[in-house]
Amino acid sequence: DAGVTQSPTHLIKTRGQHVTLRCSPISGHKSVSWYQQVLGQGPQFIFQYYEKEERGRGNFPDRFSARQFPNYSSELNVNALLLGDSALYLCASSPSPYGTQPQHFGDGTRLSIL
Amino acid sequence: ELKVEQNPLFLSMQEGKNYTIYCNYSTTSDRLYWYRQDPGKSLESLFVLLSNGAVKQEGRLMASLDTKARLSTLHITAAVHDLSATYFCAVGRDDKIIFGKGTRLHILP
Repeated sequence: DAGVTQSPTHLIKTRGQHVTLRCSPISGHKSVSWYQQVLGQGPQFIFQYYEKEERGRGNFPDRFSARQFPNYSSELNVNALLLGDSALYLCASSPSPYGTQPQHFGDGTRLSIL
Repeated sequence: ELKVEQNPLFLSMQEGKNYTIYCNYSTTSDRLYWYRQDPGKSLESLFVLLSNGAVKQEGRLMASLDTKARLSTLHITAAVHDLSATYFCAVGRDDKIIFGKGTRLHILP
């Protein structure tokens, strides 16, 4: 079975640009979460989506937005990129948002801002 | 605000030794997770703990949860080099999951 897939794997942008990151969950998983992981730190929760609705939001500015599609795939959008947005962005999926089963993580998108 | 603290943040130990990683969290929660991350890789789920007194074991790793003390432990028995990685605990509350900073474990042959 295919795991969580994310694209692209690497991305280089300049300050002020915007970026769209994509995530396909494991088949049958309806919940998708996004995390930002800065080098040497733990993942920071950005969003959780379930059945196309936002279920949770972390402490990130409004420049960060996301959505989930009818096939449960998801996009994370970041506008007006800053140097501090350079990080590994992880997508995780689970059958439901209720947390009784672990999240399965993709390999991430490494975003570098110049 | 939910905060998750792990200690130690870095641990270097000899093969064959036992050690424990601690995870404290600041508010009540109904679920706790342990993950492993190898350098340059994504996160791999190890354990999900959902109730007070829960204990789970897989190979040389054993995790436990004390919800009253807001404490989880990850115990490593007779460490082997292959267990070298960064270990994260994460705590769920409402619709958020908050991660600790991770414990970088280096096991010397």
